[in-house]
Amino acid sequence: DTEVTQTPKHLVMGMTNKKSLKCEQHMGHRAMYWYKQKAKKPPELMFVYSYEKLSINESVPSRFSPECPNSSLLNLHLHALQPEDSALYLCASSQDRDRANYGYTFGSGTRLTVV
Amino acid sequence: GDSVTQMEGPVTLSEEAFLTINCTYTATGYPSLFWYVQYPGEGLQLLLKATKADDKGSNKGFEATYRKETTSFHLEKGSVQVSDSAVYFCAPIGGATNKLIFGTGTLLAVQP
Repeated sequence: DTEVTQTPKHLVMGMTNKKSLKCEQHMGHRAMYWYKQKAKKPPELMFVYSYEKLSINESVPSRFSPECPNSSLLNLHLHALQPEDSALYLCASSQDRDRANYGYTFGSGTRLTVV
Repeated sequence: GDSVTQMEGPVTLSEEAFLTINCTYTATGYPSLFWYVQYPGEGLQLLLKATKADDKGSNKGFEATYRKETTSFHLEKGSVQVSDSAVYFCAPIGGATNKLIFGTGTLLAVQP
């Protein structure tokens, strides 16, 4: 299995809703990442997990809450989002942070719309 | 800090034309270099990579050579197809932060 699987593919949520994005990989990778991509822009790093521990938080607002329950799963919990949070959310994984020079494997993303 | 400068798009070519997308980077040490491609409505796919100076990465007819002396990693393809229409991102990794850093992306549109 050489894929990163993200669910759901599309999500529409209200500003008072709570929802979660899920990411799964079975490649034995020990580093996992959340990126946010706005239209016509490059992806922006949000969080990095290394060996199931939060390694980097790029000053992301607390309405985004990451969780790594085990080495294969990464969640992003969403609460009280704003319309400007509408974007494509991408998950990625790599062997580990120190051997990231093998490259990251990306999922196909969750397209989030906040109404 | 680490950064990457990528050719502005959009790049519009006719089918079978030659493609070059320029990429230069600034990084501490000797980063690994990647090109990612994003087709409309999809996530990112790794297109090719090079991990040390003078390495040439290649895939699907695309090539890029790691030029340490000019800190560049230009993407080339000899004959583009309509199916190559996508956004291409240059991305070094390593250096001080060991994070993947994306260029602004270059939209390639290939017309029949």
